[in-house]
Amino acid sequence: GAVVSQHPSRVICKSGTSVKIECRSLDFQATTMFWYRQFPKQSLMLMATSNEGSKATYEQGVEKDKFLINHASLTLSTLTVTSAHPEDSSFYICSANPQDLNYGYTFGSGTRLTVV
Amino acid sequence: GNSVTQMEGPVTLSEEAFLTINCTYTATGYPSLFWYVQYPGEGLQLLLKATKADDKGSNKGFEATYRKETTSFHLEKGSVQVSDSAVYFCALSDIGYSTLTFGKGTMLLVSP
Repeated sequence: GAVVSQHPSRVICKSGTSVKIECRSLDFQATTMFWYRQFPKQSLMLMATSNEGSKATYEQGVEKDKFLINHASLTLSTLTVTSAHPEDSSFYICSANPQDLNYGYTFGSGTRLTVV
Repeated sequence: GNSVTQMEGPVTLSEEAFLTINCTYTATGYPSLFWYVQYPGEGLQLLLKATKADDKGSNKGFEATYRKETTSFHLEKGSVQVSDSAVYFCALSDIGYSTLTFGKGTMLLVSP
């Protein structure tokens, strides 16, 4: 139980285009999901907290107009990287908390975005 | 605010060696503590957790004990395998499980 599915696993896009990444909780409802960006040398940065039915909460320094987050249902959150540039190339990971200590926070398998 | 400090890597060991990855934390409340593992090209998986002082989390031969007096949660394994090569993250969440605070991760490389 407590599985989070993230798609796509890899995407290559041209500069200036937009890319959507989906994060689904498969067997639990997630009123809150989290989006992370992982930089080289592995450090994880929390980008934003996605709240079902309301606006996402962005961390300081994260451009909300560039990284659009939508959490339209209790099982789906999406991150859209708009007008992507090569510096947006990174590994993006979503997470949700099933509110069950047996599982802790559950993470998706990540999306490797390459902007060319 | 909350913070997690873990030892920098990479940690390079031979198979069957003893592993310790240090983790200390700062928290305003009484947090829950986690170790996550990330294999190459994948997301994070929960390795073990502890929710109160003196709790010992264990899984797949790994152990960590919640030490409130030293604010530590060091990860140990008695005999590592090549398949343990991965990045290990120490993390905490505060009361209410709002968000996770991560350490910077420690890469473990195990050679045959």
